Amino acid sequence: AQSVTQLGSHVSVSEGALVLLRCNYSSSVPPYLFWYVQYPNQGLQLLLKYTTGATLVKGINGFEAEFKKSETSFHLTKPSAHMSDAAEYFCAVSETAGNKLTFGGGTRVLVKP
Amino acid sequence: DTAVSQTPKYLVTQMGNDKSIKCEQNLGHDTMYWYKQDSKKFLKIMFSYNNKELIINETVPNRFSPKSPDKAHLNLHINSLELGDSAVYFCASSQEGGQSEAFFGQGTRLTVV
Repeated sequence: AQSVTQLGSHVSVSEGALVLLRCNYSSSVPPYLFWYVQYPNQGLQLLLKYTTGATLVKGINGFEAEFKKSETSFHLTKPSAHMSDAAEYFCAVSETAGNKLTFGGGTRVLVKP
Repeated sequence: DTAVSQTPKYLVTQMGNDKSIKCEQNLGHDTMYWYKQDSKKFLKIMFSYNNKELIINETVPNRFSPKSPDKAHLNLHINSLELGDSAVYFCASSQEGGQSEAFFGQGTRLTVV
């Protein structure tokens, strides 16, 4: 069975500082990896995904993530945090068949002025 | 024009009641899902349907019965509601294939009192 671990349930950053959210996964097959963002009282929105090819993936709102197979990681970064980045972030892995998304526990990002 | 819409957005009901949540997608996707998000924000898949056929049933109690009248609709009926059923339920849809991103509805916050 696949699993996803997000290190840190809460992250606090200052506006303009680097945002780094960690995600490690376990999978017996090449995974498809996703980062979703959830704003308060809303559904999940895709930030970016890795399927195949380039291991550095760029997403919306200035976010990017790097797939490192040797480390089974897919960490999410943004060079400069903005107040609007305050939200819950979820890393997820998908099986090659069946589309089932397995989510990490989520990381809440707080941005301080 | 909302891609994945679910109704109602909020649902407060007493223990023992039966309730339904409706979901519709206008993206032309073949696959639809129900996910449950608990009070700690943990997301877990409940059901997956592909072209109206049940593909995934993740050890959900029999009190939960999904129904897909066509591939654009996936409803969730819950019998004999219990306090532990209180959660946010998300409908989602995607193209077939693990690399396809899922599009989520806004969620239905179910509170059982």
